[in-house]
Amino acid sequence: AQSVTQPDIHITVSEGASLELRCNYSYGATPYLFWYVQSPGQGLQLLLKYFSGDTLVQGIKGFEAEFKRSQSSFNLRKPSVHWSDAAEYFCAVAFLSGGYNKLIFGAGTRLAVHP
Amino acid sequence: ETGVTQSPTHLIKTRGQQVTLRCSSQSGHNTVSWYQQALGQGPQFIFQYYREEENGRGNFPPRFSGLQFPNYSSELNVNALELDDSALYLCASSPDLAGGQETQYFGPGTRLLVL
Repeated sequence: AQSVTQPDIHITVSEGASLELRCNYSYGATPYLFWYVQSPGQGLQLLLKYFSGDTLVQGIKGFEAEFKRSQSSFNLRKPSVHWSDAAEYFCAVAFLSGGYNKLIFGAGTRLAVHP
Repeated sequence: ETGVTQSPTHLIKTRGQQVTLRCSSQSGHNTVSWYQQALGQGPQFIFQYYREEENGRGNFPPRFSGLQFPNYSSELNVNALELDDSALYLCASSPDLAGGQETQYFGPGTRLLVL
């Protein structure tokens, strides 16, 4: 069955520190992968996506993610975290079936940033 | 370019009532998907509309129904509301289906509270 696992429910980092949020997926075909960010009470904003090609993808706000097929992972990274990065982060895989396309999300990782 | 908009932002209903949520898709997008996000969880796919037809549905009962209009805006209707229907309802629009490589862009959501 298709699924996305985000092992870390809650992560706290200091401002200026590096960040890595983990994402593992289970999908039988070539995955289309996404990271979204959600600020409190808000909708989802797309950070970056992977469809094919270069396995290191760059996104907005200084984020990047690396697709590793052998590990079924798509981890999100940022070299230096800013206080405004505090939010919830969701990894998702696109599931294609019978002509429709739905996103399967992980449970999310809540990021707190200490000053 | 106008993004995805949803109305209302907040709604309070009582058990057994019916509710209609509205979504305007991003300009140029003809596909709309609806998701339910319960507190502390990732979004769950409800259904998807493509050119005014439902073309995919998640694991939600028939009392969740929808419409898509010729201008590609959409409605989500929920009948016989239950307490567990309390959630953030997210609408996402995407351009013409292209083998899954289209990206879904989310609106700010409608927060529904059922008492």
